[in-house]
Amino acid sequence: DAGVTQSPTHLIKTRGQQVTLRCSPISGHKSVSWYQQVLGQGPQFIFQYYEKEERGRGNFPDRFSARQFPNYSSELNVNALLLGDSALYLCASSSWRVGTNEKLFFGSGTQLSVL
Amino acid sequence: TQLLEQSPQFLSIQEGENLTVYCNSSSVFSSLQWYRQEPGEGPVLLVTVVTGGEVKKLKRLTFQFGDARKDSSLHITAAQPGDTGLYLCAGSQGNLIFGKGTKLSVKP
Repeated sequence: DAGVTQSPTHLIKTRGQQVTLRCSPISGHKSVSWYQQVLGQGPQFIFQYYEKEERGRGNFPDRFSARQFPNYSSELNVNALLLGDSALYLCASSSWRVGTNEKLFFGSGTQLSVL
Repeated sequence: TQLLEQSPQFLSIQEGENLTVYCNSSSVFSSLQWYRQEPGEGPVLLVTVVTGGEVKKLKRLTFQFGDARKDSSLHITAAQPGDTGLYLCAGSQGNLIFGKGTKLSVKP
């Protein structure tokens, strides 16, 4: 079975541009979460979507947005890119349900460089 | 605010040595997870601990959850070069909160 797939694997943008990152979860998983991992830090929570609805949002500006599609794939959009947005963006899927402990399965990430 | 503090930040040891890494918080978590991440890859779940005082073993890795469910430790016996990586703890508070990680290097 395929794991979590993310595209693209690497991306170079300039300040002020917009970027869209894509994620396909493990088959059967209905929850997708997005994390930002800056070099030398642990992953920081951005969004969680479950059954196409936003279930959680981290402390990120409104320039960050996401959505989940009927097939449970997801996109993360970042507008007006800043140098500080350079990071590894990780997508994780899970079979999370309310009241259960979440086990996350991560993709390999998209390495975004903002110049 | 860093809810989960991991120590040490870096650890470089020789093959065969034992080591312990720590994950501490002032917050109580419903569960705590440990992940290992290799360069260019996403984190991979190693274990989830749920009950205060719980101990779980995974081959040469021993995980312990503190009685008050605020801290955890990971002990590796007879480390091998294949154990090299970034070890992350993550606490559950609705969504997962990650620590900054311990970067482990095991030299042959």
